[in-house]
This record gives sequence, C-alpha cells and structure tokens, in this order.
Amino acid sequence: GESVGLHLPTLSVQEGDNSIINCAYSNSASDYFIWYKQESGKGPQFIIDIRSNMDKRQGQRVTVLLNKTVKHLSLQIAATQPGDSAVYFCAETSISSGSARQLTFGSGTQLTVLP
Amino acid sequence: DAEITQSPRHKITETGRQVTLACHQTWNHNNMFWYRQDLGHGLRLIHYSYGVHDTNKGEVSDGYSVSRSNTEDLPLTLESAASSQTSVYFCASSRTGERRYTFGSGTRLTVV
Repeated sequence: GESVGLHLPTLSVQEGDNSIINCAYSNSASDYFIWYKQESGKGPQFIIDIRSNMDKRQGQRVTVLLNKTVKHLSLQIAATQPGDSAVYFCAETSISSGSARQLTFGSGTQLTVLP
Repeated sequence: DAEITQSPRHKITETGRQVTLACHQTWNHNNMFWYRQDLGHGLRLIHYSYGVHDTNKGEVSDGYSVSRSNTEDLPLTLESAASSQTSVYFCASSRTGERRYTFGSGTRLTVV
C-alpha cells in the first residue's frame, strides 16, 4: 500500500553541523511534498514544500531535495542550532490528480542537537 | 492575528463517556482537519471538512464524528470513549486547494 516512511527515527548532530533528514515515499502519483517541524508540546509547523516538477528548493537554512527516480526526499538543515531540536515529519499528496487525497504523514524523525 | 485554537489542552475521561474536543480557527479557511498522533504512527487523519455542512471520513474515523455548522469551528466527538482513543489530537486548517496546513497546539486525551 501507499506509505511515507523515514529511514531513521532519531538523529543526533553537533551544534553548527549540517543535518540531513531522509524520507521515502511509495506512491508514484505523489506530486507535492512538505516538511513540518514539531517541537515538544506543540503542533507541527510548516518548514518548506516542493512540487514534483522541482528537484531542489531552498529556504532559510533549509533545503529540500527530491529524487523522484528513487522516491526519496531529504531535508537539509545548515548550521544546526539548539532550536532545531524537534521531530521532523515529511508528508505527501497529489495536487494534480483531481482527487481529494489529503496529506499522508511519515512517522517522524527526532533531531537532537548536541552542544 | 489569525490563529487556530484547540480546547481543552488536556482531558482525562472515563471509558464509555462522550467527549467533544473543540477546534476554532480565525483564518477563514474552508478546509479543516482532525488528526491523531500516536508513537510510531505519525499523524493519522480522522475526519475532514471542505466547508460548512461538509464532512468526510479519514483513515481512522471509527468511533469519531464531526459537524461543521460554521466556517470557524470543527468539533470532534468521541461517541463512547475507549482506551484505544488515548492520544494527542491535532486540528488543522487550510485555504481551499492549499495543502499547506496550519495546525493547532493539540489536545492530549487520556481515556481511563
């Protein structure tokens, strides 16, 4: 069946290093992908999104890479800071199929930034 | 500032009781969603609405119901609470056609 999954449930990085969080998806019809950050006790917050007609998109300190060939998505965080410690979710859907399919979320990766 | 508010933040209830979780948004978004979050399962869709008087079942809708009588509110009702419904519940909203959801802060529900 369709699924969105993450390669690693936890990731620890040193402050100042770059972080890479990975996500795999299985639905070849997916054409919109989004990353959320969830801090403890809070709701998910939008970080960045990307459509399938792009391979890369950059935001402030974050970059999302999309490899449609292997159905893989990654979130790169530059110069990771303590405030980046959170759970990161990827989600996917199709916005061009005409269906009402909603976002499907992965199970999340816990990022811990070490001092 | 526009916001999306969930209440209560924490709730403990007994098995078999009816429980209603509130979600109120001032974004004037047509789309509203309810998700539950459990360890190892991420966020799973319970119900969603595309506008007033419109409701749809999601992936895990059994035991839950919603109603949409106005744009701002989408209350989630557990008809007869079960221990399996112990979870954190998130409400979200978005504009028509938009997949970028804005989430509330969540309600932690414990069924004992």
